[in-house]
Amino acid sequence: KQEVTQIPAALSVPEGENLVLNCSFTDSAIYNLQWFRQDPGKGLTSLLLIQSSQREQTSGRLNASLDKSSGRSTLYIAASQPGDSATYLCAVRLYNTDKLIFGTGTRLQVFP
Amino acid sequence: NAGVMQNPRHLVRRRGQEARLRCSPMKGHSHVYWYRQLPEEGLKFMVYLQKENIIDESGMPKERFSAEFPKEGPSILRIQQVVRGDSAAYFCASSQPVVGANVLTFGAGSRLTVL
Repeated sequence: KQEVTQIPAALSVPEGENLVLNCSFTDSAIYNLQWFRQDPGKGLTSLLLIQSSQREQTSGRLNASLDKSSGRSTLYIAASQPGDSATYLCAVRLYNTDKLIFGTGTRLQVFP
Repeated sequence: NAGVMQNPRHLVRRRGQEARLRCSPMKGHSHVYWYRQLPEEGLKFMVYLQKENIIDESGMPKERFSAEFPKEGPSILRIQQVVRGDSAAYFCASSQPVVGANVLTFGAGSRLTVL
């Protein structure tokens, strides 16, 4: 059974710091991995999607890496800003299904 | 393109009442997924439907919960005889009908509070 874990559960940092959020999964047979952002009381916004054949994806100040063999992904946020404050979720998709399995998230607060 | 629309955004019910949550997928999307997020937890898969057909309901509680996606109209998640433990955010997502190849687009969620 695939399980997805995220650490840390919460993180509070001053503005400008570079951050690393971690996601681990127990079954390496994934189709892809996706990072989402969730703002309080709102839905999910997709940030980055990494296919199983890829090692990393970048979008602006965000960089996500994937190491399937070790069952890990990291989301790197450069030069954090207060507007980055949100909960970050990772989710894996297995082969032959559109079902996503989510981690419990990392709640990030960036203070000025 | 209005995206995935969910309503109501907030719903309050007393124990024993019924809750109906609606989801209209993005234009061109024929697959709908329902996820539940309990307080301080991640999203858990509930059910995956296409029009007039349930594809995977492995995450649905065995009793009181049902889902449908009729030929016309939105998908509906129905919870009968709600209990306090049903209080959660219920998210709907939709995708195009190509298994495994699509990014799911999520709605803003419906937050159910059971008094």
